[in-house]
Amino acid sequence: GIQVEQSPPDLILQEGANSTLRCNFSDSVNNLQWFHQNPWGQLINLFYIPSGTKQNGRLSATTVATERYSLLYISSSQTTDSGVYFCAVSYNNAGNMLTFGGGTRLMVKP
Amino acid sequence: DVKVTQSSRYLVKRTGEKVFLECVQDMDHENMFWYRQDPGLGLRLIYFSYDVKMKEKGDIPEGYSVSREKKERFSLILESASTNQTSMYLCASRDQSQETQYFGPGTRLLVL
Repeated sequence: GIQVEQSPPDLILQEGANSTLRCNFSDSVNNLQWFHQNPWGQLINLFYIPSGTKQNGRLSATTVATERYSLLYISSSQTTDSGVYFCAVSYNNAGNMLTFGGGTRLMVKP
Repeated sequence: DVKVTQSSRYLVKRTGEKVFLECVQDMDHENMFWYRQDPGLGLRLIYFSYDVKMKEKGDIPEGYSVSREKKERFSLILESASTNQTSMYLCASRDQSQETQYFGPGTRLLVL
């Protein structure tokens, strides 16, 4: 099956700093999503982005499908950005199945 | 607003017990999913269902079964709980025409 690797595994930021999270995947994908899991365990979809660039407030994401990676940018980080960020992909012939990366655990300090 | 609910936030069971985890969505979504989440392993798909009474195995179905008798409800069953099934269990749903999955709050299961 497809391999999804995220880096860095852990990240500590001071409030106001910017960061870039990376997701590499091993095969062509037809679905790529970024999720944020808050400290209480709730997972929220941030972006559906199999290719191209999207922005939502202080967050933006870029997927370069031909090079098999996606980046999530967080600007002017806030303490509420803390949690774990997951990249998940679905590849051709996988149907409804998403494969998740191991996540990046982010802590934003005040 | 999209809503996925799970029957329990925390659950403690004994080895060998039969365990039912229930998930309900109010969005009329065709697709529903059960994942487990373990430290360092991310989320792994156990089973999913694309319609009532239909189910497909995910990556780690061993030791689990599922039931989908109604469109809004998807149950995960541990026939005989074991300590290695201690985990966080997450349910999700998705509309057939969309790509976004919506997750429930999760159930932390401890098997003693």
